[in-house]
Amino acid sequence: ELKVEQNPLFLSMQEGKNYTIYCNYSTTSDRLYWYRQDPGKSLESLFVLLSNGAVKQEGRLMASLDTKARLSTLHITAAVHDLSATYFCAVDDLNTPLVFGKGTRLSVIA
Amino acid sequence: SQTIHQWPATLVQPVGSPLSLECTVEGTSNPNLYWYRQAAGRGLQLLFYSVGIGQISSEVPQNLSASRPQDRQFILSSKKLLLSDSGFYLCAWSVEGASPLHFGNGTRLTVT
Repeated sequence: ELKVEQNPLFLSMQEGKNYTIYCNYSTTSDRLYWYRQDPGKSLESLFVLLSNGAVKQEGRLMASLDTKARLSTLHITAAVHDLSATYFCAVDDLNTPLVFGKGTRLSVIA
Repeated sequence: SQTIHQWPATLVQPVGSPLSLECTVEGTSNPNLYWYRQAAGRGLQLLFYSVGIGQISSEVPQNLSASRPQDRQFILSSKKLLLSDSGFYLCAWSVEGASPLHFGNGTRLTVT
């Protein structure tokens, strides 16, 4: 059974600080996705990582994938309030629907 | 471009009443379709997915069912709702291969 674990589950960080969210998974898959969910809203796709060593960046967010370690990270640089949201990682394997982590609820405070 | 429509946006139903949530996708053919549920403050639970008309895979045994009467239409149903069915229901689609899921706006269901 494919398992996806995120940590931390809750993160409160000050504006301007850096932090990393971790996503570990139990399969040998090299397909990993990051999503953002604002309160009361649906999920929005942020990054698609499809190979070992893949790195994607968008604004203050950078995602990377290490398939050998079965680990993806979402790095936040100089956090701003607008980044407050819940972030999910998700993994799929061949012929298996996406399995999501429990999400990391990020709160950026002044 | 592809779009996904999901309705209604909110729904309040009494225990024991039936349920029908509908999802349609435009701008793509033969998508994979999914129903997820998210309980308050929790992660996403895959309920059903479909790779083609009439092909439904159930991930969690419960009092819900799904149907795909047309290529781009996915329906979630229940004959009798339970209190535990309350949650945020999300429909999503994807294409074959390494493709992210694209989610609808969701339906917030409250069973009273």
